[in-house]
Amino acid sequence: DIQLTQSPSSLSASVGDRVTITCRASQDIGSSLAWYQQSAGKAPKLLLSTASTLESGGPSTFSASASGTDYTLTISSLQPEDFATYYCQQYYSIPYTFGQGTKLEIK
Amino acid sequence: EAHLVQSGAEVRKPGESVKISCKGFGDSFAASWIAWVRQKPGKGLEWMGIILPGRSDVRYSPSFQGQVTISADKSISTAYLHLGLKAPDTAIYYCATLFGTLWSHFDSWGQGTLVTVSS
Repeated sequence: DIQLTQSPSSLSASVGDRVTITCRASQDIGSSLAWYQQSAGKAPKLLLSTASTLESGGPSTFSASASGTDYTLTISSLQPEDFATYYCQQYYSIPYTFGQGTKLEIK
Repeated sequence: EAHLVQSGAEVRKPGESVKISCKGFGDSFAASWIAWVRQKPGKGLEWMGIILPGRSDVRYSPSFQGQVTISADKSISTAYLHLGLKAPDTAIYYCATLFGTLWSHFDSWGQGTLVTVSS
């Protein structure tokens, strides 16, 4: 199975801050990576796919990039609704796997 | 983008089973891969398996193979997850559609079904 290691596991930040979350894959997965946002008590929601493509209607403050087996999600200016848990997920091979999640909390 | 509506919360005892459903509203349900994902309380997301209703093509995660059964009835645009339950199986179970092929992201999610297993 492909392992995805997310860091950090939790992060405290303030409205307006720029934050970065990293996801490292245990092997090459090309651009087969998605990022999801899960607000408390809600289902996950797709943010970006193919490593860096923003979902239609998604906030422009979200971006993502890839370098080798390292994938990065950046929020350029945190809004109150952005405080949630974020997961990366690979769909390069079955079984699909998720990172362990990064909980973004208000400082 | 499909709209998915899941069945309501369930409470069962250890050793019992439960079958939860996921109904799709939109075009091409039979041609859409439907996945099931588990989330234990306070924990992350775990992919369980996936089905293509039009062909009843089912793939399971090795972690769940033999412990769950995924099925579908394309005539009513509904997928099912059948679980034999132990106490640690208390979780929210989500269905989600894939965007196109098997090698794609989850683009639409159901609201989740809470299954509580308690004696």
